[in-house]
Amino acid sequence: EAQVTQNPRYLITVTGKKLTVTCSQNMNHEYMSWYRQDPGLGLRQIYYSMNVEVTDKGDVPEGYKVSRKEKRNFPLILESPSPNQTSLYFCASSPSPTITDTQYFGPGTRLTVL
Amino acid sequence: AQKVTQAQTEISVVEKEDVTLDCVYETRDTTYYLFWYKQPPSGELVFLIRRNSFDEQNEISGRYSWNFQKSTSSFNFTITASQVVDSAVYFCALGVMEYGNKLVFGAGTILRVKS
Repeated sequence: EAQVTQNPRYLITVTGKKLTVTCSQNMNHEYMSWYRQDPGLGLRQIYYSMNVEVTDKGDVPEGYKVSRKEKRNFPLILESPSPNQTSLYFCASSPSPTITDTQYFGPGTRLTVL
Repeated sequence: AQKVTQAQTEISVVEKEDVTLDCVYETRDTTYYLFWYKQPPSGELVFLIRRNSFDEQNEISGRYSWNFQKSTSSFNFTITASQVVDSAVYFCALGVMEYGNKLVFGAGTILRVKS
């Protein structure tokens, strides 16, 4: 089944404890991206990648890191999480390396930072 | 700057009513893409439609229709004869390649359809 998977789906952690949220797609898509969803703000793009080893900042990259060593994986790293990073996170992928194409979203990861 | 405004925070209708969700966008670029996504209570994001800036033709898909008007920078979404299953958060989004391949979302409109 064609899909975008994220792990974990739920995570409660404490301030300063490094964490990684994994994202994987099995559709051979070029473009991958991370978003955070907060009430009243919609989804905001954190980072995106148009291809392996090519990543760029979205609108809210502060406090996050990403890497794209393989085409299928695009992990989101929080080196020192803070409570303002408590949010619902979505990973997405798209066939085209540009923003012109439809994005397919993962199921979401709900992160709580205490 | 690229911006999407969904002025309606929340809309409540009774089943079988028609409802229109507004989306106004801002961009200086002539080539851009507009999207609508649905987020039901279960939380996943479901793609509904993609439209590029050169295609102003309105589209109808079953009970759903979209009205794209470049003159007013709007891409409104209408649900005809709404059903309880239409209850969800609906997001409009704008993608502009010249803006660095980013996708900008509106804040979303919560639609509640009551039986």
